[in-house]
Amino acid sequence: AQKITQTQPGMFVQEKEAVTLDCTYDTSDPSYGLFWYKQPSSGEMIFLIYQGSYDQQNATEGRYSLNFQKARKSANLVISASQLGDSAMYFCAINSGNTPLVFGKGTRLSVIA
Amino acid sequence: GAGVSQSPRYKVAKRGQDVALRCDPISGHVSLFWYQQALGQGPEFLTYFQNEAQLDKSGLPSDRFFAERPEGSVSTLKIQRTQQEDSAVYLCASSLLQAYGYTFGSGTRLTVV
Repeated sequence: AQKITQTQPGMFVQEKEAVTLDCTYDTSDPSYGLFWYKQPSSGEMIFLIYQGSYDQQNATEGRYSLNFQKARKSANLVISASQLGDSAMYFCAINSGNTPLVFGKGTRLSVIA
Repeated sequence: GAGVSQSPRYKVAKRGQDVALRCDPISGHVSLFWYQQALGQGPEFLTYFQNEAQLDKSGLPSDRFFAERPEGSVSTLKIQRTQQEDSAVYLCASSLLQAYGYTFGSGTRLTVV
């Protein structure tokens, strides 16, 4: 079985600062994918960034980057230059082969002006 | 369509009532997923379709829950004899293939009173 652990229920960050949201995972599959989603108060899950287990480089998408440490089974999301619109729930998720996405419990990020 | 469409957006049901939730995936997406998200939690997998075939229904919490996708596009999640613990947001997602990232709809918020 696959598992995602997000240990930070809530985080605060000052506008324009960077913030790291933690994610550790557990899987026995050698090939897997790691995803981060954002869920604003409107409820929709918005895909942010993807990291494949065999990718040599950390994934980046604009202000989002993924700090992938395979040996430690961690896939932390880094948001640079935080904006007020970044305030939302953030979910880390994993899948592999034919298994559906498994999500963590999420981290609520609040950006302060 | 341009995105995953779910209806209704909100549903209030009296305990014991049957409900049907609809998901219209992105055209051409083979895979379709249903998730249940309780308040303050991450999405929990319910069931998965590839075209019209229901390949995994291991997450359905009881035999009161039933999902179908008869023509391989629109899907309906039906809950019979609703109970208070069924109150949650029901998210639908579609994907080109199982291993790819999912596109989520805005969800249906079900409240059982």
